[in-house]
Amino acid sequence: NAGVTQTPKFRVLKTGQSMTLLCAQDMNHEYMYWYRQDPGMGLRLIHYSVGEGTTAKGEVPDGYNVSRLKKQNFLLGLESAAPSQTSVYFCASNPQGRGNTEAFFGQGTRLTVV
Amino acid sequence: DAKTTQPTSMDCAEGRAANLPCNHSTISGNEYVYWYRQIHSQGPQYIIHGLKNNETNEMASLIITEDRKSSTLILPHATLRDTAVYYCIVRYNQAGTALIFGKGTTLSVSS
Repeated sequence: NAGVTQTPKFRVLKTGQSMTLLCAQDMNHEYMYWYRQDPGMGLRLIHYSVGEGTTAKGEVPDGYNVSRLKKQNFLLGLESAAPSQTSVYFCASNPQGRGNTEAFFGQGTRLTVV
Repeated sequence: DAKTTQPTSMDCAEGRAANLPCNHSTISGNEYVYWYRQIHSQGPQYIIHGLKNNETNEMASLIITEDRKSSTLILPHATLRDTAVYYCIVRYNQAGTALIFGKGTTLSVSS
């Protein structure tokens, strides 16, 4: 049981390039989330999804797009990367239920934009 | 979601109990208290959560005050591997509600 898997684990981009981060979960969870974490900071919510085909904005959505075409996958896209998007990105998933269920996190994607 | 206040850092000797406080004075009746930790910038790891009653699992105990305005996470016998950032999060009891993280408490366990 892999849990939450993020691809890639590391990436270096040039300013203006685009890329997609993939989050895959094999636990049949309804809810999925993308966070970013900058040095010395807590995690900040970028976008989230409450089910297949749905997405919503979090705390810091600007510069990112997301898609949830399949229940098990949640994609985070950067259309034109900027140095300010250098960060560690974490994906999480949550089973269906109210706010009393555990969220599971991936191991992170370390992105550097030069 | 209600805000939480945690000390920036704490120290603990190996083998002793680590007591991590959290203030959530504006918590509503529909909000749970969650604790997560993050070791060496890995993905956050769930520890425990509760609503009103004290809770215990194999990792830790959670003590919530009767007025629910504060809580304490207790690691009964801290080890070096418990060195991490600990996040106290208040989460609304609604389907799909995201966890909103603060800066947490950096716990350093030393021998």
